[in-house]
Amino acid sequence: NAGVTQTPKFQVLKTGQSMTLQCAQDMNHNSMYWYRQDPGMGLRLIYYSASEGTTDKGEVPNGYNVSRLNKREFSLRLESAAPSQTSVYFCASSVLADQETQYFGPGTRLLVL
Amino acid sequence: SQELEQSPQSLIVQEGKNLTINCTSSKTLYGLYWYKQKYGEGLIFLMMLQKGGEEKSHEKITAKLDEKKQQSSLHITASQPSHAGIYLCGADDSGGSNYKLTFGKGTLLTVNP
Repeated sequence: NAGVTQTPKFQVLKTGQSMTLQCAQDMNHNSMYWYRQDPGMGLRLIYYSASEGTTDKGEVPNGYNVSRLNKREFSLRLESAAPSQTSVYFCASSVLADQETQYFGPGTRLLVL
Repeated sequence: SQELEQSPQSLIVQEGKNLTINCTSSKTLYGLYWYKQKYGEGLIFLMMLQKGGEEKSHEKITAKLDEKKQQSSLHITASQPSHAGIYLCGADDSGGSNYKLTFGKGTLLTVNP
């Protein structure tokens, strides 16, 4: 099992450009999450999907949209990138109901110029 | 949502020394998770604690949750360079109803050979 995979690993964008970060998990988990990690701020939840077909805002959702494409895939979209969105983005997944442990992907480093 | 305070923010120890990292919450912790992160990589799950007074160990790492379920400690015995990284605590933000995690800002551990 690959666990949680994320693409791309690195990305440089110009202000105003759009892009989609992809996340997939092969553990048959129900819940998926998107976080951003910034120096001095720790990990902050952007959006999450408790189960296929549902999505909810986290702590810092402004400027982002998400799509739970199916049980395996959860994408994060930046419609008009801003320098404040320069960060490392992590996707995570967990089994709903019986277990809450979240398993993380390797991250995507995004630089917005 | 609850806030998690980690201390110390950073720690430098000599190989072979013991060390402790603390994670304190302003509210009751329904589930407390410890993760380790190496620079440029994703988070690796270490341990989860749920019950007051619970203690778990894995190799040379021991995590405890106090009886009041508001503080957790992570203790490393006879530290090695491989223990170096960022340690993060995360806690269930919802009392178990929606599985979102709130994270502390992390403790950077350096182990000098």
